[in-house]
Amino acid sequence: EPEVTQTPSHQVTQMGQEVILRCVPISNHLYFYWYRQILGQKVEFLVSFYNNEISEKSEIFDDQFSVERPDGSNFTLKIRSTKLEDSAMYFCASSAGLATNTGELFFGEGSRLTVL
Amino acid sequence: QKEVEQNSGPLSVPEGAIASLNCTYSDRGSQSFFWYRQYSGKSPELIMFIYSNGDKEDGRFTAQLNKASQYVSLLIRDSQPSDSATYLCAVNTDFGNEKLTFGTGTRLTIIP
Repeated sequence: EPEVTQTPSHQVTQMGQEVILRCVPISNHLYFYWYRQILGQKVEFLVSFYNNEISEKSEIFDDQFSVERPDGSNFTLKIRSTKLEDSAMYFCASSAGLATNTGELFFGEGSRLTVL
Repeated sequence: QKEVEQNSGPLSVPEGAIASLNCTYSDRGSQSFFWYRQYSGKSPELIMFIYSNGDKEDGRFTAQLNKASQYVSLLIRDSQPSDSATYLCAVNTDFGNEKLTFGTGTRLTIIP
């Protein structure tokens, strides 16, 4: 069964360092997303990406964050200068069509980021 | 601020009984509604989605939507220990975009 894969599964970094989280969406999917979940809190939308550009972003997704699809398979989230409050589980997700129409939003297993 | 509210639980239900999970949302213009299951330390997994008022059934699961009351629920019939998880309600609050707003989730425990 096709799945969204994420690397690394866990990353520990020092405050102020840059972090890149990587995702390989399901191969025929066109819409890509990043969500995050701080431990014990709700899942929060960060950004959606379609046709090589950001289609929607939340207020969390400030200038420290960026996304890129550098080739035909990877979708990355970069945090330029990490802060303690960036510690969270980051979920990549993808869908073939508009997930809010089809309901078919597939999440990866997540990358846990710990900022010290 | 567009909110999605759930009782955090824990909700304990005997095996074989019906588990009832509830969710309310603040934005009357919300379009689509989703229930996800999340096991501890794992990613959300879609159970059901619903767009129209009324009931939608899929196996042991039934989603119920009442837009007038801004209320969506999930019923799990014949509850199994493997149903023990946190259930997340998610709502698409902005027509034309893909942002999902999640509730904090209800932790469900099925007691054997």
